[in-house]
Amino acid sequence: DTAVSQTPKYLVTQMGNDKSIKCEQNLGHDTMYWYKQDSKKFLKIMFSYNNKELIINETVPNRFSPKSPDKAHLNLHINSLELGDSAVYFCASSQDSSGSAYEQYFGPGTRLTVT
Amino acid sequence: SQQGEEDPQALSIQEGENATMNCSYKTSINNLQWYRQNSGRGLVHLILIRSNEREKHSGRLRVTLDTSKKSSSLLITASRAADTASYFCATVYYGNKLVFGAGTILRVKS
Repeated sequence: DTAVSQTPKYLVTQMGNDKSIKCEQNLGHDTMYWYKQDSKKFLKIMFSYNNKELIINETVPNRFSPKSPDKAHLNLHINSLELGDSAVYFCASSQDSSGSAYEQYFGPGTRLTVT
Repeated sequence: SQQGEEDPQALSIQEGENATMNCSYKTSINNLQWYRQNSGRGLVHLILIRSNEREKHSGRLRVTLDTSKKSSSLLITASRAADTASYFCATVYYGNKLVFGAGTILRVKS
């Protein structure tokens, strides 16, 4: 069974379009995350939700909007896509957000290419 | 800015040899974690070491943490071709936010 799943795996779109990436976890975790990995493999957190509540919101353009309909799902909507948005986006989840020892479980990633 | 920095950036070894990767960070941490990423895949958690721990083992993996030097090392013993991947250290220093380093690309030749 897939623990953290993302759809789609690949997304090719033109500048200016709006797109969404979906994420689901079946681990019963309370906290979910979105990360962006650039072409140099640098991985940076974008957002974090705990029980549907936004707890981390890094310096990300407001064209990016996360939505958590329930604690098992965290979707990422991107408006007015730009060339610089091309990257691999990873969803992850963890058991809690207490800041104590925990590990994160990552999805397989969504490779977004903006042309 | 990036919290963790890995060294070396890339490492190529023969199967059976040991691989050592280092990670340095800048501020006090709660814990430090190592992850593996195979090409085109998501990250897989390998090991977590708390700030009050000095060494931890998991199978062929050994992680050390030196908080006075703000550094950690990951040792993979008796490497296998399947260990070929990118390895990232990540620090938890503010709430639950993981901050990743740039990674070490390990290639194990058979």
